[in-house]
Amino acid sequence: DAMVIQNPRYQVTQFGKPVTLSCSQTLNHNVMYWYQQKSSQAPKLLFHYYDKDFNNEADTPDNFQSRRPNTSFCFLDIRSPGLGDAAMYLCATSEQGENEQYFGPGTRLTVT
Amino acid sequence: RKEVEQDPGPFNVPEGATVAFNCTYSNSASQSFFWYRQDCRKEPKLLMSVYSSGNEDGRFTAQLNRASQYISLLIRDSKLSDSATYLCVADTGGFKTIFGAGTRLFVKA
Repeated sequence: DAMVIQNPRYQVTQFGKPVTLSCSQTLNHNVMYWYQQKSSQAPKLLFHYYDKDFNNEADTPDNFQSRRPNTSFCFLDIRSPGLGDAAMYLCATSEQGENEQYFGPGTRLTVT
Repeated sequence: RKEVEQDPGPFNVPEGATVAFNCTYSNSASQSFFWYRQDCRKEPKLLMSVYSSGNEDGRFTAQLNRASQYISLLIRDSKLSDSATYLCVADTGGFKTIFGAGTRLFVKA
């Protein structure tokens, strides 16, 4: 089945140790998003790619970076995780002109 | 003020009840609106889009009031399986999507 896959599902990292989260899709959608969701809070859009065009939200910390080497894959890099970065990170895709976003199952990040 | 505001609940209702959720948005430039459902520790999934004329999908009815910047979701004949968090979403275009924090619903037998 076509889907959005995130790896790993659970990630534990140490304070300040760089970490990379992975997202892949078989939907061939041209838009990919990264959201951060903390407990009982709204998913917060960090950035999105429209094809290769990167769009950063104004309030996304510089600590968060992203790469999209091809249509199928997108990575979230956290350069120096702090305790406040512990959250669920959700990847989503959509096709231009269509409103529905398809979410992956998320990666739950713990920072020790 | 949050861009998309929802009553966090929780709403505790018996099976078969009708329950309504409200949502307000602050950005008048918002163009598209949605309701997503999110089960505990799972990803959000689209429940329905919200059209100006209102739309219905089985037991679910969504309405939009642009003048009041207000969106609603009505669930009729609640099922145990409807227990989840319902997220209101406003899209201002340019792939900028703002989620509300969600309203939690518990349907009891």
